[in-house]
Amino acid sequence: SQQGEEDPQALSIQEGENATMNCSYKTSINNLQWYRQNSGRGLVHLILIRSNEREKHSGRLRVTLDTSKKSSSLLITASRAADTASYFCATVTNSGNTPLVFGKGTRLSVIA
Amino acid sequence: DGGITQSPKYLFRKEGQNVTLSCEQNLNHDAMYWYRQDPGQGLRLIYYSQIVNDFQKGDIAEGYSVSREKKESFPLTVTSAQKNPTAFYLCASRWEGAPYNEQFFGPGTRLTVL
Repeated sequence: SQQGEEDPQALSIQEGENATMNCSYKTSINNLQWYRQNSGRGLVHLILIRSNEREKHSGRLRVTLDTSKKSSSLLITASRAADTASYFCATVTNSGNTPLVFGKGTRLSVIA
Repeated sequence: DGGITQSPKYLFRKEGQNVTLSCEQNLNHDAMYWYRQDPGQGLRLIYYSQIVNDFQKGDIAEGYSVSREKKESFPLTVTSAQKNPTAFYLCASRWEGAPYNEQFFGPGTRLTVL
């Protein structure tokens, strides 16, 4: 079952611009995570936000979470060509060993 | 890609054949996972294992089998019963001390059925 849905499916921006990706989910969560995947590669964990948090920052990444709307957004500021990748949100309904449930991802292209 | 290796990177199989994908980790992680990714799609969970000699089915386990005889290894067998096996397969692991189930991923194996 696919819990998260990212929006937009694809995003193309110029280098230096900000990129915003959104994720909506269906059921209550313990935490929400964002992963990045370069073409043909494995995923890399970027950032995690817990259900009792509203915003987190990590370098050029900013994540927000609105549990009332069951949605999250990932903002990448001052984008670079190297940020070109697919970005996935993944939700955890309970802590510990509950498997991640991934969305379909947003394909980001940053044009130099 | 950290300390998780998957082999081979590319795999070709004839219809009707079983094939086994390798996943090895040297991170001393307890939990391991197998996902399938189709073009333009997210990841779907096939099987996962939280400890040695134990594993659970994920959302799309039909046509697949796994074993977990060693902590470091979690091979996935794609059987002839899997009707549409061509896909990108990703293995992941999780440290038992990770409280929120953050996972580390291998580089993936692309399986093509000819």
